[in-house]
Amino acid sequence: GNSVTQMEGPVTLSEEAFLTINCTYTATGYPSLFWYVQYPGEGLQLLLKATKADDKGSNKGFEATYRKETTSFHLEKGSVQVSDSAVYFCALSQGAQKLVFGQGTRLTINP
Amino acid sequence: DAGVTQSPTHLIKTRGQQVTLRCSPKSGHDTVSWYQQALGQGPQFIFQYYEEEERQRGNFPDRFSGHQFPNYSSELNVNALLLGDSALYLCASSLMDRHEQYFGPGTRLTVT
Repeated sequence: GNSVTQMEGPVTLSEEAFLTINCTYTATGYPSLFWYVQYPGEGLQLLLKATKADDKGSNKGFEATYRKETTSFHLEKGSVQVSDSAVYFCALSQGAQKLVFGQGTRLTINP
Repeated sequence: DAGVTQSPTHLIKTRGQQVTLRCSPKSGHDTVSWYQQALGQGPQFIFQYYEEEERQRGNFPDRFSGHQFPNYSSELNVNALLLGDSALYLCASSLMDRHEQYFGPGTRLTVT
């Protein structure tokens, strides 16, 4: 079945550092890929998405590119802020069906 | 424009009891999905409702059931609660032909 694997956390960085959170997936066909963010005590917010190979999703300085050849969708940000501290989830869906999530990566940014 | 809303925010139940959680989708959305998120884990899909019918179901026992109303709102019912049912229950709404799902704040269920 479909699955998503994220780099293990937690990840701790200093403010203005470069961020990469790795995500790889297993799926048949061409799933849609997503990054969701969960702030403490809250539900999930859609951060960005990509629906076909080589698409780049971007939002709030975060970017991720759909790489079919490596089945990856790594999340990057050039300069993180303390307010980016949260748990980040990579997810996929096929045909507007259920979302399959990775285990999440907790990110802490120190000032 | 109101987003996805869920009630109650928190709930404490005893083993063996039954619980009902409620969800109102984002305005204009017709599909509701429910997820269970255990502490420190990613959300797990429970089921999805569209046109008042269950369209997909994840690997959850029959103790988990749901309903969708004509106004697209939805309920999740869990019978014979177990300690392992303690989790954050998330509702997500979407349009049936679109990939993006928008989540509510969740209901934190604690079973003692």
